[in-house]
Amino acid sequence: GQQVMQIPQYQHVQEGEDFTTYCNSSTTLSNIQWYKQRPGGHPVFLIQLVKSGEVKKQKRLTFQFGEAKKNSSLHITATQTTDVGTYFCAGDWVYSGAGSYQLTFGKGTKLSVIP
Amino acid sequence: GAGVSQSPSNKVTEKGKDVELRCDPISGHTALYWYRQSLGQGLEFLIYFQGNSAPDKSGLPSDRFSAERTGGSVSTLTIQRTQQEDSAVYLCASSLEARGGYYEQYFGPGTRLTVT
Repeated sequence: GQQVMQIPQYQHVQEGEDFTTYCNSSTTLSNIQWYKQRPGGHPVFLIQLVKSGEVKKQKRLTFQFGEAKKNSSLHITATQTTDVGTYFCAGDWVYSGAGSYQLTFGKGTKLSVIP
Repeated sequence: GAGVSQSPSNKVTEKGKDVELRCDPISGHTALYWYRQSLGQGLEFLIYFQGNSAPDKSGLPSDRFSAERTGGSVSTLTIQRTQQEDSAVYLCASSLEARGGYYEQYFGPGTRLTVT
């Protein structure tokens, strides 16, 4: 089946440093979603990107969708301890109709922030 | 409003026993998903229900796993003859009906299953 590769698997940063996680697909994505899972918690939806080259911002978080719609990134500026958690991307290739699941989650990037 | 709820929150069972995990999706959400997450790992897709369509069971790891969704709402994931490798957190999510793409998924708190 289709896969999304997410790197890095782990990232340790000093508080105040920037952080970026990348999500890549070998084939063109229809859209991509990003989720955050705090330690001991469940994934929470952050954003969905649909358009080629799309850039969306949420405060210190910047999400990008590549021009070819094969990759995406999440960048956090000036990390804070509240940013700790695992960030997942989830890619959707082609909607093939009701009843067919096509959304695939990456393995996630676990972010640790050192105060 | 109420989010996705799951019960029990924790379940410890002996190897070989059957278990049932319950998920109550958000009212009005026609799509429901089950995932499995082992310690420190990503999300493993198990099964997907979409409205009245036949569920997509392509992610179920073996025939010991089954799920049903009654009345288009509550779902039950059943694991028969549990094995130690079944130990994981089982997450349920729901979303609005997917038309031409996927709406954001709302996850429940999960059921932590431990098979001894």
